[in-house]
Amino acid sequence: DTAVSQTPKYLVTQMGNDKSIKCEQNLGHDTMYWYKQDSKKFLKIMFSYNNKELIINETVPNRFSPKSPDKAHLNLHINSLELGDSAVYFCASSPGQGARELFFGEGSRLTVL
Amino acid sequence: RKEVEQDPGPFNVPEGATVAFNCTYSNSASQSFFWYRQDCRKEPKLLMSVYSSGNEDGRFTAQLNRASQYISLLIRDSKLSDSATYLCVVNQAGTALIFGKGTTLSVSS
Repeated sequence: DTAVSQTPKYLVTQMGNDKSIKCEQNLGHDTMYWYKQDSKKFLKIMFSYNNKELIINETVPNRFSPKSPDKAHLNLHINSLELGDSAVYFCASSPGQGARELFFGEGSRLTVL
Repeated sequence: RKEVEQDPGPFNVPEGATVAFNCTYSNSASQSFFWYRQDCRKEPKLLMSVYSSGNEDGRFTAQLNRASQYISLLIRDSKLSDSATYLCVVNQAGTALIFGKGTTLSVSS
């Protein structure tokens, strides 16, 4: 049973397209996150939700829109994809805000051509 | 100045070697400190927390110096399976975990 699962695992698309990545956790955690890991391996927070409420929104272009239909799900929709959006997007969850340990999904590798 | 800075390496060591990684953080309000491990093309996973008094977990020892804003990880008797990227991670109140870029370790036989 995968604790944090993301789909799709791989995504190859053209510039200008719109795409979504879905994330689900079965750990009963209250807080979920999206992190972006670029080609230089730098892992950077994008968004965080606590019980469906947005609590962290870093400086991310508004082409990126997260949605949390319930506390077990956090999806990421990206409009008008650009070359620079190519990265691995990791979903993570934790029992609450300020938690010591994040549980990451396997990542979704997005390639924009 | 980046919030969490690490020497990217790579560190190439033989099996059995002792290797140390260093990390500095810029925000003196940082409250919690961790080392995560990330294998190639995998997700990061918590290796260990770092406490002010220093702490050990088997072959791994972590140290924190709040005055210098410095964190270290020592790996003794390196194994082939220790090959990975080690991420220094810091938590401040009201934020998500902040990751360093990682230090790559390659252990060879």
